Amino acid sequence: RKEVEQDPGPFNVPEGATVAFNCTYSNSASQSFFWYRQDCRKEPKLLMSVYSSGNEDGRFTAQLNRASQYISLLIRDSKLSDSATYLCVVNRDDKIIFGKGTRLHILP
Amino acid sequence: EPEVTQTPSHQVTQMGQEVILRCVPISNHLYFYWYRQILGQKVEFLVSFYNNEISEKSEIFDDQFSVERPDGSNFTLKIRSTKLEDSAMYFCASTTGSSYNSPLHFGNGTRLTVT
Repeated sequence: RKEVEQDPGPFNVPEGATVAFNCTYSNSASQSFFWYRQDCRKEPKLLMSVYSSGNEDGRFTAQLNRASQYISLLIRDSKLSDSATYLCVVNRDDKIIFGKGTRLHILP
Repeated sequence: EPEVTQTPSHQVTQMGQEVILRCVPISNHLYFYWYRQILGQKVEFLVSFYNNEISEKSEIFDDQFSVERPDGSNFTLKIRSTKLEDSAMYFCASTTGSSYNSPLHFGNGTRLTVT
């Protein structure tokens, strides 16, 4: 089983819609969790950290479920500029592992 | 906002040649990383570096790879004898403390093309 798994997509979503991604991780000792976004041929950029209590940043909400070992990202009122690949990132003992990413296309 | 900078942005080299990829992490950061991303594939961890030594490395980071922090600012990745399959985007990253809850800040990457 891969250490971090994501649905690769693509998710094709009309502008203004709500979209949600999940990510599962296999190692229960994983310590911290992040969502990054990556535009084509660019470096990954931090979108948000993910906390057990859940956290929100504007249109973005992240949740962590340690019991089931998954994290989620919800994007509300999606914009054309949200089109990107969203990377689930898990840290265990200073080894930070990236998922393959979920591609999101926002359609006008 | 301080940034991680990487040079060159694109490096073309012949198979068997040595390459050095350079990074200047953010100045008050203590943990440094190299990642690579083959075109169309996932971002893969290569190595983490703290207190002038490697703290973790992946199976990709074999004897052909080495890292160095030769002075107070640069962090380099050397590939001794490049192979075609080393062609990828190489990202340097740094973070303030342990990566536990400290997110990575990435440089713009160096695209390495091995011919």
